[in-house]
Amino acid sequence: NAGVTQTPKFQVLKTGQSMTLQCAQDMNHEYMSWYRQDPGMGLRLIHYSVGAGITDQGEVPNGYNVSRSTTEDFPLRLLSAAPSQTSVYFCASSSPDRGHKTQYFGPGTRLLVL
Amino acid sequence: GDSVTQMEGPVTLSEEAFLTINCTYTATGYPSLFWYVQYPGEGLQLLLKATKADDKGSNKGFEATYRKETTSFHLEKGSVQVSDSAVYFCALIISGGSNYKLTFGKGTLLTVNP
Repeated sequence: NAGVTQTPKFQVLKTGQSMTLQCAQDMNHEYMSWYRQDPGMGLRLIHYSVGAGITDQGEVPNGYNVSRSTTEDFPLRLLSAAPSQTSVYFCASSSPDRGHKTQYFGPGTRLLVL
Repeated sequence: GDSVTQMEGPVTLSEEAFLTINCTYTATGYPSLFWYVQYPGEGLQLLLKATKADDKGSNKGFEATYRKETTSFHLEKGSVQVSDSAVYFCALIISGGSNYKLTFGKGTLLTVNP
């Protein structure tokens, strides 16, 4: 299993540009989520999905859209990038794991918005 | 709401020193507790976990015991190595139900010098 994969690894955008961060998992996990990591802030939940066709907002959803058309993929879209979205983005997936919900993380995407 | 507080870093130790990183939590339900590690330039890896009170999670020489009475999950290692240099995150998730949101502490940077 490849686990959780993310592309691209690095991206530079100009303010106002749009892009999609890709996330895929091959573990047949129901739950997937996106976090952003900023210095001194830990990780904050952006959006999550408990299954195909179901998404919901986390702590910091503004400026981001998601969709979940398949179990495997959970892309994160930035419609109009802003410098405040400069961050490292992590995708994670999880199965119920007998109720204990261990989450597995991708390697991250570093995004710089100029 | 749920929250995790871990000791401020950075922590700098010499090789073979004893490590403790404190973590305390507040939770609205019964949490499972995790320590994740992030090596430089990489994503988060699950280091260890504990799912009920008095459980001890252990991995790679690291240990943490779930203490419900003190709402704590301190990370310890008896003899650190240079390769342990990383950022360590304490996290919780409420067991059971449909809530999959991981709540993270802000992270503690550990540097181990030879």
